[in-house]
Amino acid sequence: GAGVSQTPSNKVTEKGKYVELRCDPISGHTALYWYRQSLGQGPEFLIYFQGTGAADDSGLPNDRFFAVRPEGSVSTLKIQRTERGDSAVYLCASSLSGGVADTQYFGPGTRLTVL
Amino acid sequence: RKEVEQDPGPFNVPEGATVAFNCTYSNSASQSFFWYRQDCRKEPKLLMSVYSSGNEDGRFTAQLNRASQYISLLIRDSKLSDSATYLCVVNSGYALNFGKGTSLLVTP
Repeated sequence: GAGVSQTPSNKVTEKGKYVELRCDPISGHTALYWYRQSLGQGPEFLIYFQGTGAADDSGLPNDRFFAVRPEGSVSTLKIQRTERGDSAVYLCASSLSGGVADTQYFGPGTRLTVL
Repeated sequence: RKEVEQDPGPFNVPEGATVAFNCTYSNSASQSFFWYRQDCRKEPKLLMSVYSSGNEDGRFTAQLNRASQYISLLIRDSKLSDSATYLCVVNSGYALNFGKGTSLLVTP
């Protein structure tokens, strides 16, 4: 079946601009996660959705970052006033129910470059 | 201090060699443990879950020592296709905590 999809695959923007990154999870998965991976590092947690609600957004670095999942399926990560330090690969993952032992399946990521 | 620590390598080994990776984690309340594999410019993919009793999947063996907060991965009879970054992952709730990854290069 279809895995997690993310669009765009690459995004180049200028400092100060606004960007939106989209994630389409595996059908039927109620849990959705966003991670960010910088060069040479492992992915770092940003936010977790259970259904439509953000159950934990403690990983969002500051208030320029916001994410929504209005219908409990597709999610959008929004970054305002982008900075060069925001350049990274943004990974989305989904799991069946959000259980601690659930397998999280990752999408291919969006590579964000802020010039 | 990062919650999950692992040697970044790189590990360069010849085909057929046995190689072992280790990692340690700091949160004693951690509940589930995994090894993920990440190929260059690709997303992480689950390699295997890790249990205290140890578990094996073909050439791969994973072990968890809760008392020492230590996780290991053993790869026997290395193949060229095993070349990748191996991420040690710990879950304390729902968010995965990743190590930096250990880079493996298997050479002919």
